[in-house]
Amino acid sequence: AQKITQTQPGMFVQEKEAVTLDCTYDTSDQSYGLFWYKQPSSGEMIFLIYQGSYDEQNATEGRYSLNFQKARKSANLVISASQLGDSAMYFCAMRGGGSNYKLTFGKGTLLTVNP
Amino acid sequence: NAGVTQTPKFQVLKTGQSMTLQCAQDMNHEYMSWYRQDPGMGLRLIHYSVGAGITDQGEVPNGYNVSRSTTEDFPLRLLSAAPSQTSVYFCATNRGLRGRGYEQYFGPGTRLTVT
Repeated sequence: AQKITQTQPGMFVQEKEAVTLDCTYDTSDQSYGLFWYKQPSSGEMIFLIYQGSYDEQNATEGRYSLNFQKARKSANLVISASQLGDSAMYFCAMRGGGSNYKLTFGKGTLLTVNP
Repeated sequence: NAGVTQTPKFQVLKTGQSMTLQCAQDMNHEYMSWYRQDPGMGLRLIHYSVGAGITDQGEVPNGYNVSRSTTEDFPLRLLSAAPSQTSVYFCATNRGLRGRGYEQYFGPGTRLTVT
């Protein structure tokens, strides 16, 4: 069984500073993928970034980067230069290998960006 | 191109009533899924489908039925609603290819309250 753990229920950051949201995972699959999604107060799920287990480079998408440490089974999201619009719930999720395209989600971290 | 649409946006049911949550996509994606989101629980997979005529259970399938007669539609049926099914329901699709092809495209959600 797969498991995603997000240990930070809430985080605060000052505008323009960087913030790291933690995610650890557990799986017995050799091939898997890790996602981060953003859910603003309006409720929609917004894809941010993806990292495959065999990807050698850490994924980056604009101000988002994924700090992937395979041996430690961690996939932390780093947001650089935080903006007020980054205030939202953030979910880490994993897909299994093989033909398993189902996602397992963590419980989320609520990020608040202060002006 | 509407992406993933869900109807209704909001619904209130009495215990024991039945209803169908609709999900439709116009992206010709093979894979479709239903998730529920409860406070503090993240998203949990209810049922999924890897193509027309093929469905399978996810993590929390009890009390829900699905069918997939076309690529475009994946309705979720509540047979006899219970207060424990009060939740926000998300439909999602993906193409099932490598890399970002595994990205799930989420619908806007249906907020269901069972009294």
